[in-house]
Amino acid sequence: AQKITQTQPGMFVQEKEAVTLDCTYDTSDPSYGLFWYKQPSSGEMIFLIYQGSYDQQNATEGRYSLNFQKARKSANLVISASQLGDSAMYFCAMREVYSGGGADGLTFGKGTHLIIQP
Amino acid sequence: GAGVSQSPSNKVTEKGKDVELRCDPISGHTALYWYRQSLGQGLEFLIYFQGNSAPDKSGLPSDRFSAERTGGSVSTLTIQRTQQEDSAVYLCASSFGATNEKLFFGSGTQLSVL
Repeated sequence: AQKITQTQPGMFVQEKEAVTLDCTYDTSDPSYGLFWYKQPSSGEMIFLIYQGSYDQQNATEGRYSLNFQKARKSANLVISASQLGDSAMYFCAMREVYSGGGADGLTFGKGTHLIIQP
Repeated sequence: GAGVSQSPSNKVTEKGKDVELRCDPISGHTALYWYRQSLGQGLEFLIYFQGNSAPDKSGLPSDRFSAERTGGSVSTLTIQRTQQEDSAVYLCASSFGATNEKLFFGSGTQLSVL
């Protein structure tokens, strides 16, 4: 089974609208971290936001927030007031602390290609 | 340096040749990771270093792939007898440690095997 599932291969959104990018994960570890990265056409991976499995509150970073629903194993990224510069690939990723002893790299989903239209 | 530096940014090689990809992590970062990204795909984990040792080599796709890290800093990923299916972007990332730390990525090396 896939550890990270992103069900939206591509999305078109009107500028200034809010966007929700879906991510579900699969783990039996009690301790894990969830990450979102943005990859613009330049290719660099840019860290956006992090949520720890024990964090009580949803993470927020500027226009980015993470809608963390632990029971559903869901970690959707919400971008408020989208901008043209938000057009990029977005990857959800997870690190499990105990499986692999924390030594593994992040496990990434296949990504969502977000296009913001003027 | 200020960020993770990878070289070369682009490499075109002929099938059967060996290639070496270099990664210079952020100063002070003890953990270093190599990933591969094929066209239109997510990132595939290859190998992880903590200091100079590689506790997790499980992601290396074949014995043609090897990596080393010396002095707890620069790492090289070597692909021997390259095949066309090795064509991809190879991304390096570093972090302070192996716990739930965010990874800082380089811009990658675009490898094309003809």
